[in-house]
Amino acid sequence: GQNIDQPTEMTATEGAIVQINCTYQTSGFNGLFWYQQHAGEAPTFLSYNVLDGLEEKGRFSSFLSRSKGYSYLLLKELQMKDSASYLCAVPASAGNKLTFGGGTRVLVKP
Amino acid sequence: DAGITQSPRHKVTETGTPVTLRCHQTENHRYMYWYRQDPGHGLRLIHYSYGVKDTDKGEVSDGYSVSRSKTEDFLLTLESATSSQTSVYFCATQMTGGNTEAFFGQGTRLTVV
Repeated sequence: GQNIDQPTEMTATEGAIVQINCTYQTSGFNGLFWYQQHAGEAPTFLSYNVLDGLEEKGRFSSFLSRSKGYSYLLLKELQMKDSASYLCAVPASAGNKLTFGGGTRVLVKP
Repeated sequence: DAGITQSPRHKVTETGTPVTLRCHQTENHRYMYWYRQDPGHGLRLIHYSYGVKDTDKGEVSDGYSVSRSKTEDFLLTLESATSSQTSVYFCATQMTGGNTEAFFGQGTRLTVV
């Protein structure tokens, strides 16, 4: 089975940096996804990591440590529009089920 | 963006009635998923399909059934709706499953009264 843990909620100030952690347990690793979901909308793809290390994509970066079962999403130069839920997801090695964590709601304050 | 259409977008139904939600995709993606999203629970997998007529259960499949008779359509049926099935339902597709990006429909808000 798979188990994915994320903090429920985080608050940060506009212009600041926030790091959203995700820990996972899975039988067989097949990469890790991050999705963004604004209230009332569908999730949208942010990043995919399958190798250890940091991948940067503009203001957003995602880090993976396979040995520690750990990933984080780093949001820099926060903007009000970054207020959303951020979902960590892990595909199963068998059956290809895509399992999501509970999501982290990020509130950006002025 | 993948063309994924969910219908209906909103529905109110009575306890005990059957309900069918439809997911239609135009991308010829092999994998399709149904999730429900409730406050405090994130996205929970109900059922998924890895090809026409090939489906499997997710973590919260009780009370739900699915069918996929053609690549583009994945139907979710609540056999006898209960208030605990009030939720937002999302359909998602993946080209080849596993490590490929999943695309989501806009969601269906279902209320069972």
